[in-house]
Amino acid sequence: EVQLVESGGGLVQPGGSLRLSCAASGFTFSSYVMSWVRQAPGKGLEWVSGLGGSGENIYYGDSVRGRFTISRDNSKNTLYLHMSSLGAEDTALYYCAKIASSGHYEVADYWGQGTLVIVSS
Amino acid sequence: QSVLTQPPSVSAAPGQRVTISCSGSSSNIGTYYVSWYQQFPGTAPKLLIHENDKRPAGIPDRFSGSKSGTSATLGITGLQTGDEADYYCGTWDGSLRSVVFGGGSKLTVL
Repeated sequence: EVQLVESGGGLVQPGGSLRLSCAASGFTFSSYVMSWVRQAPGKGLEWVSGLGGSGENIYYGDSVRGRFTISRDNSKNTLYLHMSSLGAEDTALYYCAKIASSGHYEVADYWGQGTLVIVSS
Repeated sequence: QSVLTQPPSVSAAPGQRVTISCSGSSSNIGTYYVSWYQQFPGTAPKLLIHENDKRPAGIPDRFSGSKSGTSATLGITGLQTGDEADYYCGTWDGSLRSVVFGGGSKLTVL
């Protein structure tokens, strides 16, 4: 059974940094594209970032490019999102998502339950 | 302001059919596949449709997808109260080099 468990969320001050983790199990992690998607309270989905199975083909959404860094450790079956220069607009539930075997970044066939990031002083 | 445009809300009676539109441009829907997601309050999104019209295993054939030009449509037949949820379209945007989502459509089954 595919499982994605996010962690690392919490309260952070404006301008601060945070690292999110996503522990994956139930599939061959290194073979799949992975993504982060966020959802601000009461708002819609916003794609954050994605990368290929070997850490190649890294892409970012416009609003986070230059501030967030996605990475993965295939030996630990873990996906990461390092976030810096955080602002109130980054407050959201951050989902880790596995991308389907097609490799199309918009096809997220499994999702975690999310980890909440709150940026506030 | 989302790159893809969806109606904020749609509604129909139980047993009826409803469609949800998703409008984009040549750099996204016009060139790439479209996916659709269903999200209930307090839960993670669930993949309903991928590659415009393909259903993952376990998704009933009441749900269908189509694409024409720079627009895509999700159709749901035989509406049930349990279908009340938010629905999102998503696709790749070649100009932005990122995935883009619609703003979401809230389905109410009257």
